[in-house]
Amino acid sequence: NAGVTQTPKFRVLKTGQSMTLLCAQDMNHEYMYWYRQDPGMGLRLIHYSVGEGTTAKGEVPDGYNVSRLKKQNFLLGLESAAPSQTSVYFCASSYSSREDAFFGQGTRLTVV
Amino acid sequence: GESVGLHLPTLSVQEGDNSIINCAYSNSASDYFIWYKQESGKGPQFIIDIRSNMDKRQGQRVTVLLNKTVKHLSLQIAATQPGDSAVYFCAENAGTYKYIFGTGTRLKVLA
Repeated sequence: NAGVTQTPKFRVLKTGQSMTLLCAQDMNHEYMYWYRQDPGMGLRLIHYSVGEGTTAKGEVPDGYNVSRLKKQNFLLGLESAAPSQTSVYFCASSYSSREDAFFGQGTRLTVV
Repeated sequence: GESVGLHLPTLSVQEGDNSIINCAYSNSASDYFIWYKQESGKGPQFIIDIRSNMDKRQGQRVTVLLNKTVKHLSLQIAATQPGDSAVYFCAENAGTYKYIFGTGTRLKVLA
C-alpha cells in the first residue's frame, strides 16, 4: 500500500519555465490537497479538491493551477515559475474534511 | 538538507525523559486537532488526534491534552527515544476543508 506518492522529488526550474507536479493516492480518498512549506511558516494550502472533477482555491493559489481528472490523481501546475515559488510542496489526501490527512514525501522545487 | 526547520523553536530532551510540546491554536471555533511528526526530508506523519468533546486522549507513548479555555494543545511523549527526533506541529480544523497548521517545534533527543 503506497499511500500518497509525489513525483518528482526534486526539481530545479529556470524562471518562466513550466512544470507539473503529480500526486497519486491509492486509498480511495475523496479529498486531496496541495500545500507549500516554507521556513518559519506552517503549511499553506494552495488548492484542494473534494472529489473527482472538482477543484478549489486555497489560501495561496496565485501562480498555480490544478486538475483532478481521476479520483486518485491530483496535478499541480506552475505555468511560469518564479523564484517566490521555491518551496517544498506536499500533497495530501483524506477520506473527508474531518479526518486526518495523509501526506506524500514532498517535492523540493527550486526556481532560479 | 531540510530547510523547513531552520527557524523553529527547539526542545532538547534527554533520552528516556518525557517530552512536552505545546501549541497555541488560533480559532475558538476549531473542534478537531491533529499532531503531526515530520522527519527531515519527509512528509508530515499523523501521530494522534483529538476532538473538542475530549480534553485528553492517549496513544502509544503519546498523550494529547486540549484546553479549550485558553486555546492550548500539548503533546506528551513518554520515554523519549532517538527516533522521536523530528519537527512536531499541530493542526486545527473548524469543520471545513481548511486545516490551520502551526509552524512547529523541533525535538532533539540527547543520548
